[in-house]
Amino acid sequence: DIQMTQSPSTLSASVGDRVTITCRASQSISNWLAWYQQKSGKAPKLLIYKASSLESGVPSRFSGSGSGTEFTLTISSLQPDDFATYYCQYYNHYSTFGQGTKLEIK
Amino acid sequence: QVQLVESGGGVVQPGGSLRLSCAASGFTFSSYGMHWVRQAPGKGLEWVAVIANDGNAKVYADSVKGRFTISRDNSHNTLSLQMNSLRVEDTAVYYCAKEANWGSWYHDLWGRGTLVTVSS
Repeated sequence: DIQMTQSPSTLSASVGDRVTITCRASQSISNWLAWYQQKSGKAPKLLIYKASSLESGVPSRFSGSGSGTEFTLTISSLQPDDFATYYCQYYNHYSTFGQGTKLEIK
Repeated sequence: QVQLVESGGGVVQPGGSLRLSCAASGFTFSSYGMHWVRQAPGKGLEWVAVIANDGNAKVYADSVKGRFTISRDNSHNTLSLQMNSLRVEDTAVYYCAKEANWGSWYHDLWGRGTLVTVSS
């Protein structure tokens, strides 16, 4: 089975910072990767699919990149609403999530 | 209004059974595969099961295979998850989630979730 590993597990940052979260796959997954944002007590929200495609309605400060085994989610300028937990997901005829990255206010 | 609403969660003893439902509205339910994803308290997301848009294909995570059964009723826009032989480790919020595109197992619509607690 393919395993997804996110780093870091926790990230402390300030409003206005540029932040990057990494997701690594245990084997090549092409670009079958999505990113979600989840706030406490809420359902996940789709941000990025196919590694770099921005979901409709998601602010352009969010971007995704990568292919094969290494992927990144970048937030270009953190806003107060962005402090949440972020998950990557591999989804090609199977599904597995990374363990999550909690983005905290510094 | 485009939404998914789960129901049926509760407290059950180990070895017991529970049936979850998910009511869909605002989109053509019969055109999309549907999934269950769960989240144990304080933990990450775990994919549970998928059913094809026509109900003919089903896939399960190894952790629930043989104990859980996913089904759907396209005439009533309803997704279900029958959970048998429940274990303490099945305790989680269970979300139903819609495929964003046919055959693509990422999700553009999620329900609010329903909590299942397995405890003696």
